[in-house]
Amino acid sequence: SAVISQKPSRDICQRGTSLTIQCQVDSQVTMMFWYRQQPGQSLTLIATANQGSEATYESGFVIDKFPISRPNLTFSTLTVSNMSPEDSSIYLCSVEDSGVSYNEQFFGPGTRLTVL
Amino acid sequence: GNSVTQMEGPVTLSEEAFLTINCTYTATGYPSLFWYVQYPGEGLQLLLKATKADDKGSNKGFEATYRKETTSFHLEKGSVQVSDSAVYFCALISSASKIIFGSGTRLSIRP
Repeated sequence: SAVISQKPSRDICQRGTSLTIQCQVDSQVTMMFWYRQQPGQSLTLIATANQGSEATYESGFVIDKFPISRPNLTFSTLTVSNMSPEDSSIYLCSVEDSGVSYNEQFFGPGTRLTVL
Repeated sequence: GNSVTQMEGPVTLSEEAFLTINCTYTATGYPSLFWYVQYPGEGLQLLLKATKADDKGSNKGFEATYRKETTSFHLEKGSVQVSDSAVYFCALISSASKIIFGSGTRLSIRP
């Protein structure tokens, strides 16, 4: 199984600023995903990030607000831009284990973001 | 479209009680089904999985059986412990590698 780390683990930010979250995987993976978990809620997929192509965003999420980079097969970043208190959430990255037939996903520990 | 519906929480039980958390799904085709667990302050961990009808996933004393006829994947444990206190998410993957999560069920176990 893939081991995933995220930085920072938590942060408190001011309204109007931006934060970049890093996701590092211990093996090369094709597909990486970014999720948002708002307080007390389930996980919502923000976008899918494949190396060498533009990220694919889900309905309700746009590149200007959540730009994503995927420079290689082990690393990705998600930026939360022009933050507002409504962006306070846990942000998680996940990777797909393409070595199994049912495409199991493994999750990072998450980044807990509080926007004041 | 695909969806997952799970039992609303919070669920509070005494230690050694029997646990059931209900989960039903709607999906086209033959999805794979999962239970994920999120312990306080931590990320998501895969608890167990089942990839086809009648498969039983099990881990740490938890079990769930993929029931195609009732489109269900209920989570059970015979004797819960305080350390099982967490939020449990039922989920499915169909095509396109997109996980659909249920709303989560918060479980609290009293000593």
